[in-house]
Amino acid sequence: DAGVIQSPRHEVTEMGQEVTLRCKPISGHDYLFWYRQTMMRGLELLIYFNNNVPIDDSGMPEDRFSAKMPNASFSTLKIQPSEPRDSAVYFCASSARLGDGGNEQFFGPGTRLTVL
Amino acid sequence: DQQVKQNSPSLSVQEGRISILNCDYTNSMFDYFLWYKKYPAEGPTFLISISSIKDKNEDGRFTVFLNKSAKHLSLHIVPSQPGDSAVYFCAASGHSGTYKYIFGTGTRLKVLA
Repeated sequence: DAGVIQSPRHEVTEMGQEVTLRCKPISGHDYLFWYRQTMMRGLELLIYFNNNVPIDDSGMPEDRFSAKMPNASFSTLKIQPSEPRDSAVYFCASSARLGDGGNEQFFGPGTRLTVL
Repeated sequence: DQQVKQNSPSLSVQEGRISILNCDYTNSMFDYFLWYKKYPAEGPTFLISISSIKDKNEDGRFTVFLNKSAKHLSLHIVPSQPGDSAVYFCAASGHSGTYKYIFGTGTRLKVLA
């Protein structure tokens, strides 16, 4: 298995532009997570899905952020409009249901977003 | 408010010596704890975990200790190797089986050859 795949790996955009980050989870995993990493706050959970349904989006910073999972093999995180304070590394992770190897989450390589 | 705290942003250790990374938490409902390791330009990878019913879990050179009364856990790496140089994240969850982890801010470990 190729692991969790994220694209793009790097994104540089200007304030006010729309940004879309993409994720392909590991095949067979029922859970998908979006995290944001910053120096000040470490790894923050933004939202997670179970069987393509959003379960907890309490970490989404504000309405400018939205996430979708149209099918079991694809998810997007969209920021519209983007702001400089959104600059961070965004990780996608996936996990099997409890009992299939436990609670371990497998992370993708991340997307480094820079908003100018 | 940070529920999981890693108060040491960095740590340097000589090769062959013990590395001790610390983590404190505030929520007494946490009962499952994990350590992840992260190399530059890569995603975090799972290292070791511990349930609150235990106070120690060992896997090779890595041992995690849990002190529930102090709400403190630590990761010991013995002996430390240059390849262990990475950022280590501590994480906690509310009850076994939940998929929502709260991560700390990470500790950057540098093992000097």
